[in-house]
Amino acid sequence: DGGITQSPKYLFRKEGQNVTLSCEQNLNHDAMYWYRQDPGQGLRLIYYSQIVNDFQKGDIAEGYSVSREKKESFPLTVTSAQKNPTAFYLCASRTGSGGRETQYFGPGTRLLVL
Amino acid sequence: GQQVMQIPQYQHVQEGEDFTTYCNSSTTLSNIQWYKQRPGGHPVFLIQLVKSGEVKKQKRLTFQFGEAKKNSSLHITATQTTDVGTYFCCTSGTYKYIFGTGTRLKVLA
Repeated sequence: DGGITQSPKYLFRKEGQNVTLSCEQNLNHDAMYWYRQDPGQGLRLIYYSQIVNDFQKGDIAEGYSVSREKKESFPLTVTSAQKNPTAFYLCASRTGSGGRETQYFGPGTRLLVL
Repeated sequence: GQQVMQIPQYQHVQEGEDFTTYCNSSTTLSNIQWYKQRPGGHPVFLIQLVKSGEVKKQKRLTFQFGEAKKNSSLHITATQTTDVGTYFCCTSGTYKYIFGTGTRLKVLA
C-alpha cells in the first residue's frame, strides 16, 4: 500500500518540550516538504528537502529542525524555541519534473500545546 | 516574494448552484495547481495547468489559466454536498511551492 504516512495523528506538547513528528513515504520520491496550516489559513512552507542529506529552510523555519538521512523519512522537530506551535502539520512528497510536478500529502499531525 | 491571492475566502451555495474561485498573482506564473482539502483532511491534488489560456475539465470542474499566466479559476457546475471543502491554488518554482489562502466552500442541501 503506497503513500505517505504521518504519526502521530495528534500530539500534545508541554511548555519547553521538543517534539518530533514523523513522515515516511514509500513512493520513491526525492523531494519532501513540511507545511504548517493554521485554522482557516493556507499552507506555509517550513522546510523542504530535494534529496537525501540535503534540506532548505522555507518561509517559517524558525523554531523547527529537520533531518533527511534516508530517502523515505523526513522527520520534523518542533523545538521549544517555537513559541506558537499549535497547528496542523502536513508532510508532502513530490513526483514529476519539468513543470509537471505533483505533490502528495500525508494525513497530517495536529499539535496542541498543554 | 511571490504571492498568490485567492478570492473569495468563503462561499456558501445552495446545492445545484455553480461556484467559482479565483487565484491572482502580480507576477507571471510558470504553472498553477489546484488542490482540494476536505474538512479535517489533507490537500489532494486536482490538476495542473502550464500553458497560457489553458482550459481543462474534470466532470463538473473546469479549470482555466489566464492568457497572461497571472490568474486562474476553478468553476464547479451544479455543486453537490460532496464538493464541500477548501480549494487551494498553488504555484511552484524551483522545488518550492506557494499556496493561496484558499476558498472554503459550503454547500447547503
